[in-house]
Amino acid sequence: DAKTTQPTSMDCAEGRAANLPCNHSTISGNEYVYWYRQIHSQGPQYIIHGLKNNETNEMASLIITEDRKSSTLILPHATLRDTAVYYCIVRQWTGTASKLTFGTGTRLQVTL
Amino acid sequence: NAGVTQTPKFQVLKTGQSMTLQCAQDMNHEYMSWYRQDPGMGLRLIHYSVGAGITDQGEVPNGYNVSRSTTEDFPLRLLSAAPSQTSVYFCASSYNPESGNSPLHFGNGTRLTVT
Repeated sequence: DAKTTQPTSMDCAEGRAANLPCNHSTISGNEYVYWYRQIHSQGPQYIIHGLKNNETNEMASLIITEDRKSSTLILPHATLRDTAVYYCIVRQWTGTASKLTFGTGTRLQVTL
Repeated sequence: NAGVTQTPKFQVLKTGQSMTLQCAQDMNHEYMSWYRQDPGMGLRLIHYSVGAGITDQGEVPNGYNVSRSTTEDFPLRLLSAAPSQTSVYFCASSYNPESGNSPLHFGNGTRLTVT
């Protein structure tokens, strides 16, 4: 199974960009990288995903290295409401179904 | 637009009791799945389904049963609850399970305590 490695925790000042790294060195060519976040005990919230090109939406940007072994989620102007656990996930095709395997994520603390 | 709806939000069971956690989605998603979340362990896949009538096991299936008689519903059954099943349970769904290009949408969870 393709696994991801993330720092356990990070801090970011409000208004600054938050850059969350993820390592997925065993990713296969057709597997997507997904980012979710979880605030308190709510359900995980989808943020963004990509295959090999950089992606941007209204929430964040995703930068994937050319060799696809790592990626960075960028929250351009972090606010206190962005304090959450962020999960980097590789979506795996098992031959019969597509599965997401979650790791333990990065706890991002945004401070004043 | 309801998305993924889970009921109940909270449940307390005694050891040995049975119950069904309900999950429904109104997005016509083919793929549905159940996760449990325990402190410090991220989310672990229990069971999943790629369409009505088709289910398969995830990484922690023991003690849980599922069925998928309709596209919309994917209930999770605990036949004989154990304290080890105390957890927060999340249901999630997405389009075309064969495509990796399809975000998973999560419900808001059921917090289960087994005493």
